[in-house]
Amino acid sequence: DTEVTQTPKHLVMGMTNKKSLKCEQHMGHRAMYWYKQKAKKPPELMFVYSYEKLSINESVPSRFSPECPNSSLLNLHLHALQPEDSALYLCASSQVILAGNNEQFFGPGTRLTVL
Amino acid sequence: SQQGEEDPQALSIQEGENATMNCSYKTSINNLQWYRQNSGRGLVHLILIRSNEREKHSGRLRVTLDTSKKSSSLLITASRAADTASYFCATEQAGTALIFGKGTTLSVSS
Repeated sequence: DTEVTQTPKHLVMGMTNKKSLKCEQHMGHRAMYWYKQKAKKPPELMFVYSYEKLSINESVPSRFSPECPNSSLLNLHLHALQPEDSALYLCASSQVILAGNNEQFFGPGTRLTVL
Repeated sequence: SQQGEEDPQALSIQEGENATMNCSYKTSINNLQWYRQNSGRGLVHLILIRSNEREKHSGRLRVTLDTSKKSSSLLITASRAADTASYFCATEQAGTALIFGKGTTLSVSS
């Protein structure tokens, strides 16, 4: 199984809502990533987990809260988002981080709209 | 922050033609990778070239890396309509995760 799955595919939420994005992989990868991608822009790294521990936080606002319950799952909890947070949120995984040979496998993304 | 800059930003060609995209970066790297993204979907890894390699092939793809010029190129030969997508280079540096360039949008018409 070389697939990264993400749910939901689409999410519409109000600025007062609390929602969560979910990501799952069963490739035995020990590094997992969240990216944010605006239209016609490259993915921007948000968070990196390595061996279930937060390794990199790219100064992301606290209204985004990542969680890695186990080596296969990665969540992104959303609260009090702003309309400018509307974007495609991509999850990715790789065998390990910073190995110098680090191909990342991406999920299809969650299209988030904040009203 | 962005490390790579792709050139051109957009490229339109006919089926059967070759497509060349270039990527420039700023600092020393461990490797450089190319990814493809179909509209609104996740990225697909195409090829990885290490800093001590100069050229690599995979099917219809040919990647070159010139570390002295801090640049790379991706050549897609005999393009097909299915190659229509955005292509991103991404660099892996010591101590950081991947940093993606701005991307090249390729349109292949039949």
